[in-house]
Formats: sequence, structure tokens, C-alpha cells
Amino acid sequence: NAGVMQNPRHLVRRRGQEARLRCSPMKGHSHVYWYRQLPEEGLKFMVYLQKENIIDESGMPKERFSAEFPKEGPSILRIQQVVRGDSAAYFCASSSQGSNQPQHFGDGTRLSIL
Amino acid sequence: EDQVTQSPEALRLQEGESSSLNCSYTVSGLRGLFWYRQDPGKGPEFLFTLYSAGEEKEKERLKATLTKKESFLHITAPKPEDSATYLCAVGGSQGNLIFGKGTKLSVKP
Repeated sequence: NAGVMQNPRHLVRRRGQEARLRCSPMKGHSHVYWYRQLPEEGLKFMVYLQKENIIDESGMPKERFSAEFPKEGPSILRIQQVVRGDSAAYFCASSSQGSNQPQHFGDGTRLSIL
Repeated sequence: EDQVTQSPEALRLQEGESSSLNCSYTVSGLRGLFWYRQDPGKGPEFLFTLYSAGEEKEKERLKATLTKKESFLHITAPKPEDSATYLCAVGGSQGNLIFGKGTKLSVKP
């Protein structure tokens, strides 16, 4: 399967714990995007990364959230000290180039906070 | 501020009953208009990209059109398997996509 791979598909954490979400882009894609989808809400952009660089993080909360896309390995979205409001579906997308190109999505990670 | 509004929020059709979904947008400069399909528990699946007013694209029973203010997704003779949420998005200035809230389509046999 050459599509965008996200894991885990489901993640349960207690308040105050850390959540790590992983994303492997499509083969040949070097641009990665993270989005969050809340119930009854649209997909909201969080962060855009290329290998080893954060291009735009304007949609990401300033505290507790961080993202990386290392030279080797998957992109990671990290949420520290999770709160109930972090419960959502987190989607990763990738594209072969930046602006104006279609983004291809993974099936997401459903994060539940107890 | 770039914005995308989709209507209706939900649409129920009988199998074979053609209809259209609307996506209105306001952007400082269009960098692409994107249509996706999303099934429950899945990620959005890319359907079409439109870049300029007057452009049209087709795929099976779906046809997407674009004007300077809006895009339509026309569904001809839909089948139950076309039931899904259809998402519209525009390209943002930083490479991100700005999504509408979607239209949930149900097609009854």
C-alpha cells in the first residue's frame, strides 16, 4: 500500500499524559500536513512540514503541541499533558510539491482522552 | 480571511435522482479548489482539483465546475455507494488547505 500511513488508528490517553501520532507520507512525497477534525467541525489545518523543516505552524496551539519530520522516519505530532479538549481525529496528508497540489490523506488517528 | 462555505449541510436523494452540491469561497487569490469524499472512519479521498473559472472535471457520476465565487459538484443518477460526506477546500497562502464543513449525502435505493 503506497498511501499515507498513520498509526496508531486509535489512541486512548489519560489527562496529563503524552500522545504521539505518527505519519508516513506517500512514497516520493516530501511535504506533510497535519489537520484536526472535531465532531461536527471541518478539518482544521495545524502544521506544514518538509524534511527537517517546519514551513508553517500557524494552526497549531502554541503550548503542548509540537511536530517534526526528521530526515529519516515518519512525521510525529506530539501532544504533551493532554486535556479532554484534545479528543479529536488527527489526519495527516502528504503531497509531492507544495502549494496548489492535491494532498492525499491517511485514515487518521482517533485520540480519546479519559 | 479565506473562507469556504458548503451547502446544503445534508442532502437525501433517491437512487437515480440527480442533484448538485455547492461550495462558495472567498480567497485573496485562488490557489486551487479541491473536492474530497470522506467515508465514516476514513480519511478524505481526493476527487478533483480546479484552478480557473470555467474549468470542469468529471469522474464517473461526478462532475465538478468552477466560477469566480463558487464550485458545484454535480451528481448524476447517484447510487447508494455514492453516500458519503463531500468536502470542498481551497488552497491557503502557506500551502495548507482551508476546508468547508462538508455536505453529507445519503442516497437511498
